[in-house]
Amino acid sequence: DVVLTQSPLSLPVTLGQPASISCRSSQSLVYSDGNTYLNWFQQRPGQSPRRLIYKVSSRDSGVPDRFSGSGSGTDFTLKISRVEAEDVGVYYCMQGTDWPTFGQGTKVEIK
Amino acid sequence: EVQLVESGGGLVQPGGSLRLSCAASGFTFSASWMSWVRQAPGKGLEWVANINIDGSETYYVDSVKGRFTISRDSSKNLLYLQMNSLRAEDTAVYYCARDPVRWSWDYWGQGTLVTVSS
Repeated sequence: DVVLTQSPLSLPVTLGQPASISCRSSQSLVYSDGNTYLNWFQQRPGQSPRRLIYKVSSRDSGVPDRFSGSGSGTDFTLKISRVEAEDVGVYYCMQGTDWPTFGQGTKVEIK
Repeated sequence: EVQLVESGGGLVQPGGSLRLSCAASGFTFSASWMSWVRQAPGKGLEWVANINIDGSETYYVDSVKGRFTISRDSSKNLLYLQMNSLRAEDTAVYYCARDPVRWSWDYWGQGTLVTVSS
C-alpha cells in the first residue's frame, strides 16, 4: 500500500497568515498515463469532506484562489496564502495512483 | 445541483447485517463510477468499495472483502452497500461519493452512521 505522511498534524495559524501542509508518499505517484493522482480534501467540523485540489494543482470550482497545490513525484504541498476563519478544519491528502489511501489529516485551527 | 443522500445506518449487533442506500441526483448517475468511503469516530478517512458504471466491476478494501457488497440500480439512481458479518471496527460514518477518475471524489453525501455494538 502507498503510505502518505502529512506534516504537521496540527497547525495553529493566525488569521491572515499563510499556512502550508506537506504530504509525502512512500512511492512515486506518477501513473502510467502520465498523470499524478494526488488530491487534497477539506473537512470542516461536522461536515462531509470536500475536494479542494485534484491532480496535484488543479483547483476545484468554487474553491478560493488562496488555496494552491504543488509538488511532484513523492512530495506535495497544500498552501493557504492567507488563512480565514472558514478554513478551520482537517485537511487530507489522498492518492488514487494506486489503491486509494489517505494521509492522517492535518488539523488547522486559529491561534 | 448534485445531491447524494445516504440512508440505512443505525445500531447493529456484532455479526449482524445492514444495507446502506445512497440516492443520487443532479448528474448522470448511470455514467458515473461510485464509491463508499468511511470514517471511524474521531479518525481519518478510508476507502471501502467502488463500482463501475454498469456494476460489472467492483473493488473492495481488504478488510471488508467477502463481507460487504457494493451494488447499484441505475434505473432508480441508487447506490447500495450490503454489510454482513459486521464487526466493532466497522463502526463509522459511511459516505457515498462520485468517482470521476481514479478515486478523485468530487461529490460526497452527508454520511450515515453505522454503530456495531452489543
